[in-house]
Formats: sequence, structure tokens, C-alpha cells
Amino acid sequence: EAEVAQSPRYKITEKSQAVAFWCDPISGHATLYWYRQILGQGPELLVQFQDESVVDDSQLPKDRFSAERLKGVDSTLKIQPAELGDSAMYLCASSLLGQGGTEAFFGQGTRLTVV
Amino acid sequence: GEDVEQSLFLSVREGDSSVINCTYTDSSSTYLYWYKQEPGAGLQLLTYIFSNMDMKQDQRLTVLLNKKDKHLSLRIADTQTGDSAIYFCAESIPLKLIFGTGTLLAVQP
Repeated sequence: EAEVAQSPRYKITEKSQAVAFWCDPISGHATLYWYRQILGQGPELLVQFQDESVVDDSQLPKDRFSAERLKGVDSTLKIQPAELGDSAMYLCASSLLGQGGTEAFFGQGTRLTVV
Repeated sequence: GEDVEQSLFLSVREGDSSVINCTYTDSSSTYLYWYKQEPGAGLQLLTYIFSNMDMKQDQRLTVLLNKKDKHLSLRIADTQTGDSAIYFCAESIPLKLIFGTGTLLAVQP
């Protein structure tokens, strides 16, 4: 069964270090999302791609976060430098089209702990 | 603005029905979703309803939508211990999927 792949599953890093997460969406899915989920809260959209283009990054802290999807397939989310408040679950999701009735499939997530 | 709210916690006995409620504010929502998240896992889509529908039933799940009051509910019949998880409602507005804060469902044997 097709699924969204994310790696690593868990990451512990020291504050001020750089960290990167990888996501491979379901084949053929044009839309890719990165969400951040802080413990006890719902997911918050960080960035949304349509193919290789960013369509929404209004909630992405651009001074330290960056995201790319160079070939319109897999994507990388980077944090540099990491801060203690970045500790959270980072979820990647993909869908055939943008939201509006097409199901968004989620990966297992990367749990980041910044110490 | 965009805001989706849910009650934080619900406890039921095994075999009873569970009703999880959600309110949203954006009237331009096209679809509304219910996702399930088990500990340490990603989100699993349970069901969704188009905004011009009032009800949708899918096996043990019943979704009710009151568009006038912007209220969405998920009823789980014959709740099992395996249903214990956090349930998120989400509204779909153009190019965005906005999640609620989640309701922790605890099923007592």
C-alpha cells in the first residue's frame, strides 16, 4: 500500500545545531504539506507545495526554517539553528490535488527533541 | 478568521457510543474531516463530509454537520478499547486544511 515516508522517526539535537527532515510523498501526489504538531495541540501548517512551488509558507519561521521540493517529488525541511521551542512532531502529508475533498495522507512523523 | 475548537477529553465505557464535537468559524469550508491519531503515530483519515451534506454514515461512524451553527460531530457506535486515541476535526478552505486542538478519547473496559 502506498504511504508517505518520513525520516528520521526520531531526532535529538542540541540547540543552535542544524537539523533536517526528509519526506517522500505518495507517487503522483502533486501537493505536499509540512505540519508541526506541538504536544497537546493540533497540527499547524508550516508550508504547502504544489509540485515544486510553494503555495503557502505564511506560518513558516523563515529566519530559521527552510523547505524545498526541488524536483516536485520528495521534500526536505531544515531548521538552523534549532531552538528549544522547536521540539515537536513534524508531519508530512501529500494529496493528489490541493485541499477540497481530496484526502491528505500523513506520514508517521519525525519527533524532534531539542536539548 | 480560521478557528476550529474541540473539547479536550472524553471518557466512555466499552460498548457505549462516543460523540466528539467540533465547532469551526470559516463559512467557506468545503469539506470537513475527522482524523484519528494513535500515540506516536501520524494522522489517519477516518471520514469526511461535504459541506452541503447533513449526515454521513460509514459503518460504526456517523458524522453530523450543522452548517448554520458551524458544528460538526463524530459518533462512534459500540466504542472499543482500540478506539482510544486523539481525534482531530479539520476544515478544508481553499488551499488550506485547518485542524482543531484534538479530543482525547479514553475507552474504559
